[in-house]
Amino acid sequence: DQQVKQNSPSLSVQEGRISILNCDYTNSMFDYFLWYKKYPAEGPTFLISISSIKDKNEDGRFTVFLNKSAKHLSLHIVPSQPGDSAVYFCAASARYFGNEKLTFGTGTRLTIIP
Amino acid sequence: DAGITQSPRHKVTETGTPVTLRCHQTENHRYMYWYRQDPGHGLRLIHYSYGVKDTDKGEVSDGYSVSRSKTEDFLLTLESATSSQTSVYFCATPTYEQYFGPGTRLTVT
Repeated sequence: DQQVKQNSPSLSVQEGRISILNCDYTNSMFDYFLWYKKYPAEGPTFLISISSIKDKNEDGRFTVFLNKSAKHLSLHIVPSQPGDSAVYFCAASARYFGNEKLTFGTGTRLTIIP
Repeated sequence: DAGITQSPRHKVTETGTPVTLRCHQTENHRYMYWYRQDPGHGLRLIHYSYGVKDTDKGEVSDGYSVSRSKTEDFLLTLESATSSQTSVYFCATPTYEQYFGPGTRLTVT
């Protein structure tokens, strides 16, 4: 039972345009969501997070949107740059219920076309 | 980056042999995690630790054991390696906004 789903295995975007990566979840207890970025042969790195009390969180070129009613979150990258080419994982936790574990999606490979 | 190191970085072993992977952190974090990454599955939690000698199972714990005798070290052991355990293994700390180690690529032949 995949509780966190990233239905697009890959995405290609022109440099300078907006990249939108999507993530859906099924567990209503999830209340904290994160995005990680992973380059080949490296460990994932934390990118941005959002609590369920918010619907948007922004950090530079990266914005995460949360739609609780739809159980959907998205990561917007604008403008997209070649260095953004990587695999992106969304993750979720029932943080405020005392759950110290993250559940990850299967990842989306983003390719930025120069 | 929590000063996370993993050893070995690469290992090839035969089916049925025991294998131990080591994770070391320098930031004195209480929580440590072991994940495996496989195509089509993303990152899946194997085991985690919430203190010295305190560990718990993740979603794919069968065939794996862990030990934490010191705050800075978290060991993952495959008692009898199988081909299905061929994967890339990552260690991470602390909770939520985690720092990940560089990974160990394990091949079981």
